[in-house]
Amino acid sequence: GAGVSQSPSNKVTEKGKDVELRCDPISGHTALYWYRQRLGQGLEFLIYFQGNSAPDKSGLPSDRFSAERTGESVSTLTIQRTQQEDSAVYLCASSLVYGGGTEAFFGQGTRLTVV
Amino acid sequence: GQQLNQSPQSMFIQEGEDVSMNCTSSSIFNTWLWYKQDPGEGPVLLIALYKAGELTSNGRLTAQFGITRKDSFLNISASIPSDVGIYFCAGPVTGTYKYIFGTGTRLKVLA
Repeated sequence: GAGVSQSPSNKVTEKGKDVELRCDPISGHTALYWYRQRLGQGLEFLIYFQGNSAPDKSGLPSDRFSAERTGESVSTLTIQRTQQEDSAVYLCASSLVYGGGTEAFFGQGTRLTVV
Repeated sequence: GQQLNQSPQSMFIQEGEDVSMNCTSSSIFNTWLWYKQDPGEGPVLLIALYKAGELTSNGRLTAQFGITRKDSFLNISASIPSDVGIYFCAGPVTGTYKYIFGTGTRLKVLA
């Protein structure tokens, strides 16, 4: 596609429910990144993918968070048993190749509100 | 681990003024990226720097890759109201493909 697409754009969920956030990267981009941005804060790295593999999961806040990527395209970030502290904007980015020397382009994010 | 510190944290300026902000790290970066984020939007790439000492312009924006490779600067000339937003620096952690972001500089322009 022309840009990184994320869905849904907004999600309100009850505490304890599971949510799935979707990211469609730019076509042909092999690297994909997930970030979390709390209100008024900077971007917190969660996980990145090189193709379909995720060599660095150190940013995932807890075992309630997981992510997968299939077919070197779509990625899904899943949050199980959501907590109010999970409320944030979840941003996805992709880049042509992984590593320094290439720019990462962002989607508009999914605003998650846990009530 | 590597961290990026930005200053100032926020700025209020008059329309037409020039703006300078910087980003520093305790360790070396091989790439510096500058992003702008508008409210409710994802960050948008402004300028990418790949070489120590490099000076790159994009319209009224100019960014420089510090020669020590531990800092970068972004200047905005003749600011206009649409320059309002949060400016982030970013770069890949050395030896990995993980991009980290600075704490952001919040810019407000008074007409």
